[in-house]
Amino acid sequence: DTGVSQNPRHKITKRGQNVTFRCDPISEHNRLYWYRQTLGQGPEFLTYFQNEAQLEKSRLLSDRFSAERPKGSFSTLEIQRTEQGDSAMYLCASSFRGDGYTFGSGTRLTVV
Amino acid sequence: SQQGEEDPQALSIQEGENATMNCSYKTSINNLQWYRQNSGRGLVHLILIRSNEREKHSGRLRVTLDTSKKSSSLLITASRAADTASYFCATDEQGGSEKLVFGKGTKLTVNP
Repeated sequence: DTGVSQNPRHKITKRGQNVTFRCDPISEHNRLYWYRQTLGQGPEFLTYFQNEAQLEKSRLLSDRFSAERPKGSFSTLEIQRTEQGDSAMYLCASSFRGDGYTFGSGTRLTVV
Repeated sequence: SQQGEEDPQALSIQEGENATMNCSYKTSINNLQWYRQNSGRGLVHLILIRSNEREKHSGRLRVTLDTSKKSSSLLITASRAADTASYFCATDEQGGSEKLVFGKGTKLTVNP
């Protein structure tokens, strides 16, 4: 297992377009988390799954954002009608018992 | 909202010196974690200290936790140029969800 994999690494999109990111966690990990990080800031929590159940969503996750984790394996994060303020690094992490996350390298989104 | 606050925001030292970073937080916690992030990359888990622990070591890292002051420190001994990165503390709320709340980080530069 090579760790948490995120695709794509970079995404440039025009304002108003929809984008989807994928995260493949470590296979033994039942917990999966999405965070967003802007320049000079620490990561901010977006949502988390335990197996296929989405257990918590941040207020940051507006109705334009949706995340899924079908069958408790990989996860997707979709942003509809992107805005310039959505430009950020989107980080995925997984863990087994909630201790010590393993992060992916992130997807950098630029909305032009 | 970000619970952890790292201090200083930036630190520049010479190779071989020790680096100390501090973190303060606001609520009661289950555990506190430190992560490292190289520029433009995902975060790497360094160490986790539980609320009933006062000190923990891992290689050249030493972490202390003072729950009465709601503060933690990360000491990197005999620093190397490869330690250049941003360092974040992250906490989870006692009795709360599993999400981690990150501070804004300390940017450490180790000059060769």
